[in-house]
Amino acid sequence: QVQLQESGPGPVKPSGTLSLTCAVSGGSISSDNWWSWVRQTPGKGLEWIGEIYHIGSTNYNPSLKRRGTISVDKSKNQFSLRLNSVTAADTAIYYCARGGSYSSFDSWGQGTLVTVSS
Amino acid sequence: DIQMTQSPSSLSASVGDRVTITCQASQDISDYLNWYQQEPGKAPKLLIYDASNLKIGVPSRFSGGGSGTDFTFTISSLQPEDVATYYCQQYDNLPLTFGGGTKVEI
Repeated sequence: QVQLQESGPGPVKPSGTLSLTCAVSGGSISSDNWWSWVRQTPGKGLEWIGEIYHIGSTNYNPSLKRRGTISVDKSKNQFSLRLNSVTAADTAIYYCARGGSYSSFDSWGQGTLVTVSS
Repeated sequence: DIQMTQSPSSLSASVGDRVTITCQASQDISDYLNWYQQEPGKAPKLLIYDASNLKIGVPSRFSGGGSGTDFTFTISSLQPEDVATYYCQQYDNLPLTFGGGTKVEI
């Protein structure tokens, strides 16, 4: 059974860059799946951030205003999220998940709280 | 973006009750609709995919139905362990979007 685990450096300062990595175990990131980032805030609920396919194809939520970049490292079986120019509104629990286009999110990481604060 | 509207936003029911949640899409999404359960402090968990298909291992008291713009999620006999927030999610169009959630309490 595939398992996902988010990791990141902790708090981020306003205008800085949020960086998170999702390690995939029990399955290959090169399988026929999209891999997504989803965040959750009390105010906006669950928000899909974007997704990547192992060949590098990506899709993003326009609400991010082109601040996000998702990449994949097949050698490490992981994928990553970078979100630039963060504000307090980016404070959220960030989840990585298997799925996206053409499918459900059938496996989720445990989530990691990212706080944007000076 | 496709807007997903869930109702009610919260409900309280007794053990053994039948509970129904509705989800309405702002446009036709065929059956590209999933349902998730999120227990407090945990990640969402897939229960139903493609509107009515139960994920393997999920108890049969959970069911889903509908197509087009109107969908339902039902717990046939509410159990204490079903206390959670339930979300619908469409994958017909990008960006993928979720409903606002329904908090189920006993």
